[in-house]
Amino acid sequence: KQEVTQIPAALSVPEGENLVLNCSFTDSAIYNLQWFRQDPGKGLTSLLLIQSSQREQTSGRLNASLDKSSGRSTLYIAASQPGDSATYLCATGGDSNYQLIWGAGTKLIIKP
Amino acid sequence: EAQVTQNPRYLITVTGKKLTVTCSQNMNHEYMSWYRQDPGLGLRQIYYSMNVEVTDKGDVPEGYKVSRKEKRNFPLILESPSPNQTSLYFCASSSSLAVARNEQFFGPGTRLTVL
Repeated sequence: KQEVTQIPAALSVPEGENLVLNCSFTDSAIYNLQWFRQDPGKGLTSLLLIQSSQREQTSGRLNASLDKSSGRSTLYIAASQPGDSATYLCATGGDSNYQLIWGAGTKLIIKP
Repeated sequence: EAQVTQNPRYLITVTGKKLTVTCSQNMNHEYMSWYRQDPGLGLRQIYYSMNVEVTDKGDVPEGYKVSRKEKRNFPLILESPSPNQTSLYFCASSSSLAVARNEQFFGPGTRLTVL
């Protein structure tokens, strides 16, 4: 059964730094991997979706990579800003296409 | 504006008092789902619906009911809430049934506390 893990659970860095968030999964037979951002009181927002045939996907200062063989994905945030403070979640398919399996998230704090 | 709305956003109730959390989407999506989120755990799916009158259990359905009488609405019903149902609840919708392959849109969440 697919399991998704995100380490660390929390991360605090000074503004301006580049940083990497990690996501690992146990079953490499995935269709895609998705990264979400969660802001308190605002629900979840989809950031990036990487298809299994892709190695990376970029949106602005965000770059997500996918290595299926090692069961890992990373979310790279360049030149971090206080507005990037949020919880970042990754999710991928489970045994059914009707279901996503979620990591517990990394709470990111960017200090001004 | 395309959105998923949930009501109420915050709710404090007592054990055994029936409650309903409403969810509505204006995107004409076929697929809707309910999740709960607890500290240290990922989102866990409670129930999902593939279309009107078609619902199925997710990973943690015990203690919950749902209905899908209209395409846009997917209420979550707790017939007899218990303290272990204290959680943050999210409703989501998608144009595709294969949510592992396509984007889902999420509501803002409902924080429920059962005393």
